[in-house]
Amino acid sequence: KAGVTQTPRYLIKTRGQQVTLSCSPISGHRSVSWYQQTPGQGLQFLFEYFSETQRNKGNFPGRFSGRQFSNSRSEMNVSTLELGDSALYLCASSLMGLATYEQYFGPGTRLTVT
Amino acid sequence: DQQVKQNSPSLSVQEGRISILNCDYTNSMFDYFLWYKKYPAEGPTFLISISSIKDKNEDGRFTVFLNKSAKHLSLHIVPSQPGDSAVYFCAASVGTGTASKLTFGTGTRLQVTL
Repeated sequence: KAGVTQTPRYLIKTRGQQVTLSCSPISGHRSVSWYQQTPGQGLQFLFEYFSETQRNKGNFPGRFSGRQFSNSRSEMNVSTLELGDSALYLCASSLMGLATYEQYFGPGTRLTVT
Repeated sequence: DQQVKQNSPSLSVQEGRISILNCDYTNSMFDYFLWYKKYPAEGPTFLISISSIKDKNEDGRFTVFLNKSAKHLSLHIVPSQPGDSAVYFCAASVGTGTASKLTFGTGTRLQVTL
């Protein structure tokens, strides 16, 4: 069974630009969560999508948004990029999102904002 | 406010000895705790978990201890192996009802030396 895939793996953007990251969950998984990993903050929860609906949201500004498609693939968008948005963005999928230990993470997208 | 804290950013242990990774939390509502392991260029992978109704959970070389009164948990790896070298994140949640309410610590980098 293929794991969680994320594209692109690396990205360099300039302040003020926008970016879209993509996540393909494990086949059959309906829940996709997004996390931001930075050295000082660890992994911070951005949001979770389940069956195309945002079910939970973390404490991030409205510049961070996402969506999920009918095939469970998810995209995350960051508008008006800031230097502080440089981070590793991880997505995780789970079957139903009902058990916290059943999340499977992708390798992440490393975003650098210059 | 960091609700889950891993105060040691790094730890070096000799092969064959015990590795002890520590984690403290401040939110008394947390009742489910997990450890994840992360290799470079890969996403975190689930290692072991413990519910607040227990004070110990063991899985092979890995044991997690929970001290609710001290709001402290620890991961013991015995014996440590070079392949255990990775970043370890502890995480906590309130219940296990949704996969997305995980709060992570900042991670501890474990290096197992020969």
